[in-house]
Amino acid sequence: EAGVAQSPRYKIIEKRQSVAFWCNPISGHATLYWYQQILGQGPKLLIQFQNNGVVDDSQLPKDRFSAERLKGVDSTLKIQPAKLEDSAVYLCASSLSFSTDTQYFGPGTRLTVL
Amino acid sequence: DAKTTQPNSMESNEEEPVHLPCNHSTISGTDYIHWYRQLPSQGPEYVIHGLTSNVNNRMASLAIAEDRKSSTLILHRATLRDAAVYYCILRDASGGSNYKLTFGKGTLLTVNP
Repeated sequence: EAGVAQSPRYKIIEKRQSVAFWCNPISGHATLYWYQQILGQGPKLLIQFQNNGVVDDSQLPKDRFSAERLKGVDSTLKIQPAKLEDSAVYLCASSLSFSTDTQYFGPGTRLTVL
Repeated sequence: DAKTTQPNSMESNEEEPVHLPCNHSTISGTDYIHWYRQLPSQGPEYVIHGLTSNVNNRMASLAIAEDRKSSTLILHRATLRDAAVYYCILRDASGGSNYKLTFGKGTLLTVNP
């Protein structure tokens, strides 16, 4: 079974530029999550989708971050404009449903903002 | 969200058992105890979870205190591949907080050859 795919794996941008990350969850998984992991900390949930609807985006900085999952399969997370403090690893995870116990994580995208 | 307390770091020797503790004194009756681990440069991976009874799977065992205020993840024979950050997380199975996982800083396990 293929795992959660993410691209790119690494991205370096200058502050105030825009960046987008892509995630393809495990086939058949209805729930998709985006996490931000700052160096030395645990992952922090940014947004949670159930199919193509948002379940929780309470910790998403909506003035600069946006995410979509238009067809209920793959998803894109965008930052516009980026700030230095956005430097982190962005992790995508999926699960069969939002009440299912196990989340499966992708390898992450490491973003460096200069 | 109910919180957990874990040591920042632990060390073990290869092929010896490892006991990783977690305190969760404010756990509620509907909170499951989950453990994930994160290997270097990878996303977290599920290890094990339980509610009240001890649990075993191919990766580890989970021992839960009778009052559920603490638990221990047991790796029976540590290997170098087990070096990772281990996260103990409480997940509300009643649907509170949309079942989400809230990660702390975890315990960094170092395995010596």
